[in-house]
Amino acid sequence: ETGVTQTPRHLVMGMTNKKSLKCEQHLGHNAMYWYKQSAKKPLELMFVYSLEERVENNSVPSRFSPECPNSSHLFLHLHTLQPEDSALYLCASSQDADRIGGTIYFGEGSWLTVV
Amino acid sequence: GENVEQHPSTLSVQEGDSAVIKCTYSDSASNYFPWYKQELGKGPQLIIDIRSNVGEKKDQRIAVTLNKTAKHFSLHITETQPEDSAVYFCAALARNDMRFGAGTRLTVKP
Repeated sequence: ETGVTQTPRHLVMGMTNKKSLKCEQHLGHNAMYWYKQSAKKPLELMFVYSLEERVENNSVPSRFSPECPNSSHLFLHLHTLQPEDSALYLCASSQDADRIGGTIYFGEGSWLTVV
Repeated sequence: GENVEQHPSTLSVQEGDSAVIKCTYSDSASNYFPWYKQELGKGPQLIIDIRSNVGEKKDQRIAVTLNKTAKHFSLHITETQPEDSAVYFCAALARNDMRFGAGTRLTVKP
């Protein structure tokens, strides 16, 4: 149990589908993140939310749309994805909202396959 | 921005031997260096971290060393066990930007 729960753990979707990834953190943290993990590449930061406000968007295509309704929940809405978007999507959280990027705790990830 | 290089990309050791993974960073403002272990099918788990005001930190069989002058830090695992087999990631935090290395796949052979 990591304190950060992601669902679903596995998702297969067509390029015309719309789906969402969900993340919930039980650690009382103020900041939440979405990372993309592809084979043989460093972890790529996609979005950062601090106190429910988006503070960073690393030039992520608009087919990925995050939502943070409160400090415990984070969603990643997916639509019209491409096969190269297939990857492990990791949600994470940290305590320090004033200094984004402190000790980060990851969830187990959602394996996404786009067909 | 920060650039983190990690070596080697794969490492195979015999059970009981030591394993060392090295990372270098580019931004002298980096002040926090965590290490993560990712087992197959799981997310990365923080195993040890070090801040820039400390040169070495140890937790049982794992230790991390930091050389700020040379801008490199290393993970040391002693008396390796098969359950240490995983992918290990280093990271460096500078100016609120956490950058990760590409990972090292460690295999411990029984």
